[in-house]
Amino acid sequence: QVRLKESGPRLVQPSQTLSVTCTVSGFSVTSYHVSWVRQPPGKGLEWVGAIWKGGSTDYNSALKSRLSISRDTSKNQVFLKMNSLQTDDTGTYYCAKHSTVGFDYWGQGVMVTVSS
Amino acid sequence: DVVMTQTPVSLSVSLGGQTSISCRSSQSLVHSDGNTYLYWYLQKPGQLPQLLIYKVSNRFSGVPDRFSGSGSGTDFTLKISRVEPEDLGVYYCYQGTHYPRTFGGGTKLELK
Repeated sequence: QVRLKESGPRLVQPSQTLSVTCTVSGFSVTSYHVSWVRQPPGKGLEWVGAIWKGGSTDYNSALKSRLSISRDTSKNQVFLKMNSLQTDDTGTYYCAKHSTVGFDYWGQGVMVTVSS
Repeated sequence: DVVMTQTPVSLSVSLGGQTSISCRSSQSLVHSDGNTYLYWYLQKPGQLPQLLIYKVSNRFSGVPDRFSGSGSGTDFTLKISRVEPEDLGVYYCYQGTHYPRTFGGGTKLELK
């Protein structure tokens, strides 16, 4: 059974670093790509970045300078780190599994609020 | 970056009616491998996004044939016929051809 579960802090102070973990089961992160997608409250979806099954990464252009995505293949986990957080980084952060047909499974998301 | 422009931003439909959503990309979405990686997702209120259509016109497993996708190059359409209550929510197009990947801004489908 495919599952993805995000974990991380609910509250981050401005200018600090966000670290979110996506723990997957039912598939290997070395066999499928995983993306991060975020959604500000009441707004649309934004692709944040991805780690491809081979281990390379790609990032949203606007976030690239602040963003890092990595993984631990032994634990089947994918990590998102974003520094210099601002209030407009508030939102729900999802990880999603890619298949040949698109994002077929999503985690429940973690709602992150950037506030002092 | 490829900009995905969805129109309209919101749409009111009657149950049982038909409607369509447009998605235009700022660059052709034809990949060098010949495929066009244009997808449609629906996010129902309070739920996760769910995949409807992949590669322009292919329905994902379990998606009713009331949903159909079409288009080519930079111009794509999602048609929904015989609208049912469970079709309400926000529809997003997404391109997986170019880096970085990008979503459209979303189209909210509401009941008239």
